[in-house]
Amino acid sequence: SQQGEEDPQALSIQEGENATMNCSYKTSINNLQWYRQNSGRGLVHLILIRSNEREKHSGRLRVTLDTSKKSSSLLITASRAADTASYFCATLDLGGSYIPTFGRGTSLIVHP
Amino acid sequence: DGGITQSPKYLFRKEGQNVTLSCEQNLNHDAMYWYRQDPGQGLRLIYYSQIVNDFQKGDIAEGYSVSREKKESFPLTVTSAQKNPTAFYLCASSIIGQGTGDRYGYTFGSGTRLTVV
Repeated sequence: SQQGEEDPQALSIQEGENATMNCSYKTSINNLQWYRQNSGRGLVHLILIRSNEREKHSGRLRVTLDTSKKSSSLLITASRAADTASYFCATLDLGGSYIPTFGRGTSLIVHP
Repeated sequence: DGGITQSPKYLFRKEGQNVTLSCEQNLNHDAMYWYRQDPGQGLRLIYYSQIVNDFQKGDIAEGYSVSREKKESFPLTVTSAQKNPTAFYLCASSIIGQGTGDRYGYTFGSGTRLTVV
């Protein structure tokens, strides 16, 4: 089944720096979503971007979508130690199955 | 507050034993999902249900069973046929039709960590 793949697998930065994570996918999508997971917890929905959108913002988060390249990026600006978590992208196929397919995630560590 | 409740948080299974993981939601969501998470492998879909009394196999359904007798509940049974059940199990729910762009995405429970002893 189609799966988004996040890149890099791990990212380590200092507090105050920006963090950028990328997601690539294989087939046409209806929308793409980003989730956050703190260690040992469930996933929390961050932002959804539709296939006809190119950019969305939510607080310190900025998501872009390039359907021609089948890729998305999540930018966290002015990172904080509390942003330390794993970040997953999930794609919803155009086929209408309404079943999201998750990537393997990017593990972000923000050092205070 | 609306949400998804998974229980128990930790579960230990002996060899050859069946165990059931609970998932309850009060969001009035139509669809519910079970995912398995192993280190470095992301989330893999076990089963999903889009309507009461109906469910579909996901990518790794072997050794698992589910039921959907009520809209609010979607329990997962890990049977003795599942040879490597140690993992973190996540339940999620959603409104049907999110393909058109519901802004809330999918809601997850806090997970159950299952360990074979």
